[in-house]
Amino acid sequence: ETGVTQTPRHLVMGMTNKKSLKCEQHLGHNAMYWYKQSAKKPLELMFVYSLEERVENNSVPSRFSPECPNSSHLFLHLHTLQPEDSALYLCASSRDRLAGGNFDTQYFGPGTRLTVL
Amino acid sequence: GIQVEQSPPDLILQEGANSTLRCNFSDSVNNLQWFHQNPWGQLINLFYIPSGTKQNGRLSATTVATERYSLLYISSSQTTDSGVYFCAVGGVNLETSGSRLTFGEGTQLTVNP
Repeated sequence: ETGVTQTPRHLVMGMTNKKSLKCEQHLGHNAMYWYKQSAKKPLELMFVYSLEERVENNSVPSRFSPECPNSSHLFLHLHTLQPEDSALYLCASSRDRLAGGNFDTQYFGPGTRLTVL
Repeated sequence: GIQVEQSPPDLILQEGANSTLRCNFSDSVNNLQWFHQNPWGQLINLFYIPSGTKQNGRLSATTVATERYSLLYISSSQTTDSGVYFCAVGGVNLETSGSRLTFGEGTQLTVNP
């Protein structure tokens, strides 16, 4: 029981498709994150939202478009992806993004395993 | 940005054995977390430990912030301990670290029955 859910768990899409990944947290947290985990590479932070405002974009290509309509939901809209975008996409949340220079524990969802054909 | 190195990259144990995983980091941190990723991809937070020692059952962790390393101890290992163990740190230098946790490459642990 992590309190963070992600849908779908698996997604296969063509390069011309448009799809969206959804993340929902039930922990009352104010900060949410998207990470990408590719094979044999460390987790890469993509986006950070704090109180529904995007506070960090880690040089992510525009074919990835995040949306945070409220503090409980986070989306990642995908369009014209490339095969190298195939990876595990993980959502996380924490109580606050930054509090006196200290970060809170991050809680992760189960991930969406994306395959781009 | 801050660099995180984990060792060993791979570790194979027999059930019941003890092990120590290490995380070295290159700068001062105010956040350090250990995670376990199971074979299905789920990341579970094990410890939030920017300094000091904590224990939770068979697992314990120690961070010596002044020497820039952290250790994760697993005692009496079980097959369910298999997976990848990640160390992630947040640097005190906000200009270079921002809001991010920087993850190491992980230690792949396999516990055989």
